[in-house]
Amino acid sequence: QVQLQESGPGLVKPSETLSLTCTVSGGSINNFYWSWIRQPPGKGLDWIGYISDSGSTNYNPSLKSRVTISVDTSKNQFSLKLTSVTAADTAVYYCARENGVWSGDYTNYYYYGMDVWGQGTTVTVSS
Amino acid sequence: EIVLTQSPGTLSLSPGERATLSCRSSQSVSDNYLAWLQQRPGQAPRLLIFGASSRASGTPDRFSGSGSGTDFTLTISRLEPEDFAVYYCQQYGSSPWTFGQGTKVEIK
Repeated sequence: QVQLQESGPGLVKPSETLSLTCTVSGGSINNFYWSWIRQPPGKGLDWIGYISDSGSTNYNPSLKSRVTISVDTSKNQFSLKLTSVTAADTAVYYCARENGVWSGDYTNYYYYGMDVWGQGTTVTVSS
Repeated sequence: EIVLTQSPGTLSLSPGERATLSCRSSQSVSDNYLAWLQQRPGQAPRLLIFGASSRASGTPDRFSGSGSGTDFTLTISRLEPEDFAVYYCQQYGSSPWTFGQGTKVEIK
């Protein structure tokens, strides 16, 4: 079955850029949307943004000025970059598949929820 | 941005009891794109319900979702030991996707 694995540095200095990659195994990255979500220590879930296999993106306005999500279909991976990090960006970062189906003409994607999640990776922002 | 408010914050119940969790939205959720997720300590969230009432693959039938518009409910008919966890509702009908603050179901 499809599995996701996040990877990247666990410690990032303030003002630097957080970079994470999510590797998709057991299935193709094609024909789906893929999201990043984070969870600060002891708190709830925050959606960061998503990307389609063709590279279309949608970001949370609260982070939009600092976030870039990209996809590499040849490697079955998608990535997150978050610039100018502060301690408030310390969190467990998850990647997830936005399950759904495309309409016959591939103009609309009908979502079925985030059905596959990575195990999460802890990122601490500290000098 | 749609704000989801879950109640109660904590639900203290015994195994075998029925759990009823509420999720109220600040605006109507488009197409009833409302999901429920379960998160056990130290684990990633797991999708239980999507589209307000459809069970995800592998979700036991003791879990059921209902509701539409702005009011949604997750019901666990008989609590099993593995059901004691935090539950989040999430809307994916309007960008940005948003989550409720969570309901913790704890053993009484």
